[in-house]
Amino acid sequence: AQSVAQPEDQVNVAEGNPLTVKCTYSVSGNPYLFWYVQYPNRGLQFLLKYITGDNLVKGSYGFEAEFNKSQTSFHLKKPSALVSDSALYFCAVKLGRASKIIFGSGTRLSIRP
Amino acid sequence: DAGVIQSPRHEVTEMGQEVTLRCKPISGHNSLFWYRQTMMRGLELLIYFNNNVPIDDSGMPEDRFSAKMPNASFSTLKIQPSEPRDSAVYFCASSLGGSDHTEAFFGQGTRLTVV
Repeated sequence: AQSVAQPEDQVNVAEGNPLTVKCTYSVSGNPYLFWYVQYPNRGLQFLLKYITGDNLVKGSYGFEAEFNKSQTSFHLKKPSALVSDSALYFCAVKLGRASKIIFGSGTRLSIRP
Repeated sequence: DAGVIQSPRHEVTEMGQEVTLRCKPISGHNSLFWYRQTMMRGLELLIYFNNNVPIDDSGMPEDRFSAKMPNASFSTLKIQPSEPRDSAVYFCASSLGGSDHTEAFFGQGTRLTVV
């Protein structure tokens, strides 16, 4: 069965330090991978996506993600964290044209001043 | 475009009552998704439509849940009868389903409380 996993419920980082939020997937075929962010009492907002090509994808708010096919991972990264990055982050996978989007369990990112 | 519009934003109802949640997708999008978010279960896909046709409703928890999409600009999720365990935030999302790589755009959600 297709699935996406976020092994960490919470990630704590000091402001200015680099951050990584982990995501691994299990699908048959070529996946399309996404990262979303959710601020309190809001819907999910799209951050970035991997479709094909360069394994390093750049997205909104200075975030980037690295696709690693051999490790079936798509970790979200940012070189220097901001307190305003504190939110709930979701990894998601889509399995082709007009198909459903499956989300991971979410990782709460907390950036301390 | 105003984005995906959901109504109501908040709903409080008594157990046993019928609840109807509404969604207006982004104009031109032909895929629509209903998700439920709870602390215990995270974000669950309930059902999704392509071109107004339900494609996969395997996530609908029980027969008490039903969803319709009578046209390209409107969808409803109905719970009848409602139970306290249905309390959650329900999100609607839409995307351009004809392309492999389009992301989904989410509404603000409906926070449902069943007492």
